[in-house]
Amino acid sequence: DVKVTQSSRYLVKRTGEKVFLECVQDMDHENMFWYRQDPGLGLRLIYFSYDVKMKEKGDIPEGYSVSREKKERFSLILESASTNQTSMYLCASRGTPSREQFFGPGTRLTVL
Amino acid sequence: QKEVEQNSGPLSVPEGAIASLNCTYSDRVSQSFFWYRQYSGKSPELIMSIYSNGDKEDGRFTAQLNKASQYVSLLIRDSQPSDSATYLCAVIAGGATNKLIFGTGTLLAVQP
Repeated sequence: DVKVTQSSRYLVKRTGEKVFLECVQDMDHENMFWYRQDPGLGLRLIYFSYDVKMKEKGDIPEGYSVSREKKERFSLILESASTNQTSMYLCASRGTPSREQFFGPGTRLTVL
Repeated sequence: QKEVEQNSGPLSVPEGAIASLNCTYSDRVSQSFFWYRQYSGKSPELIMSIYSNGDKEDGRFTAQLNKASQYVSLLIRDSQPSDSATYLCAVIAGGATNKLIFGTGTLLAVQP
């Protein structure tokens, strides 16, 4: 079974803090994704990566950056957290051949 | 026009009935289609994938794809209260990025 893990289930941070969200997958998948999900807005893609050290902007990259130094790990960075970044953050991975995409358990981030 | 459209619901069915969830998509070159189930406060869980026209059955779930009509559906037989969740339709976009485009989901409520 594919396993995608995220470093925290719940996180509370203060405005202006730098926040790191970590995601690890154990299936040697090439593609990894970061989404946020908000009520009424659905899933929105922030960034994705199709290879180590490669990254592509998604639909809402502003205020975020990412890092992929190893194939299994994809990190989302909030350089200076703001209250409008309070959300559920979901990491996902996908192996190119199957195209099936699997999600981690999510991190509910609250920025005060 | 939204790329992937679903009726937001709620769709209410009695226990034991067949629940029918529908989804239309706009990109004619899409080749891969998925259904995810998401319980409140949890991450999306992949339940079905379908790649060719026709029906695909897995236990109580049947996915149906009609590429000519750009329509994909999910049938849940013998619906149980534990099936109550939001069901997300997702389609892989055409082009090099192969991004997964999600609908906003249909809320299913199975009444005991």
